[in-house]
Amino acid sequence: DAGVIQSPRHEVTEMGQEVTLRCKPISGHDYLFWYRQTMMRGLELLIYFNNNVPIDDSGMPEDRFSAKMPNASFSTLKIQPSEPRDSAVYFCASSLRRNNSPLHFGNGTRLTVT
Amino acid sequence: QQQVKQSPQSLIVQKGGISIINCAYENTAFDYFPWYQQFPGKGPALLIAIRPDVSEKKEGRFTISFNKSAKQFSLHIMDSQPGDSATYFCAHSGAGSYQLTFGKGTKLSVIP
Repeated sequence: DAGVIQSPRHEVTEMGQEVTLRCKPISGHDYLFWYRQTMMRGLELLIYFNNNVPIDDSGMPEDRFSAKMPNASFSTLKIQPSEPRDSAVYFCASSLRRNNSPLHFGNGTRLTVT
Repeated sequence: QQQVKQSPQSLIVQKGGISIINCAYENTAFDYFPWYQQFPGKGPALLIAIRPDVSEKKEGRFTISFNKSAKQFSLHIMDSQPGDSATYFCAHSGAGSYQLTFGKGTKLSVIP
């Protein structure tokens, strides 16, 4: 089991550029979550999917953020245009289809927007 | 997202000592209370979890104590070791919910 795989591990970009973060969940997991981690706000849930369908995107901060899950093995989080306040570590996590199943997190993408 | 308030923000403990981290929640509908452990450069990983129908759960050196009436739960790490140095997050979710809301984390440093 390779675990949740995120890419890239680090991303440095200039303000105004488009950023795409990628995630491969654990095979067989039905739920996929995108979290953002900052010192000030901690871990915030941005959006989650069930069977590739977005269920709750109320945590997405602005229209500049979008997420897709075209199939069970791949998801993207896109920021367009990026701003310095988007700098954070973005985590993807997946879990099985049952209540209170543990979240399995990837190692995150550290995004720096200059 | 309903808040879960975690304290302290940071904690320094001598090797062999007891580390205690506390969390308070608001909504009595929450019925699942996990703790996650995060090492630098890694994602959080589930450490131990409890449901409110029990007051305590122990796994090795890690114990969750749960006080339903006070709406509080805590993590105790007995015989703390330098390898326990990490950030710890409490969390909760509601009945039937797949969403976890996390506390802001406690950075634990265990010094030799």
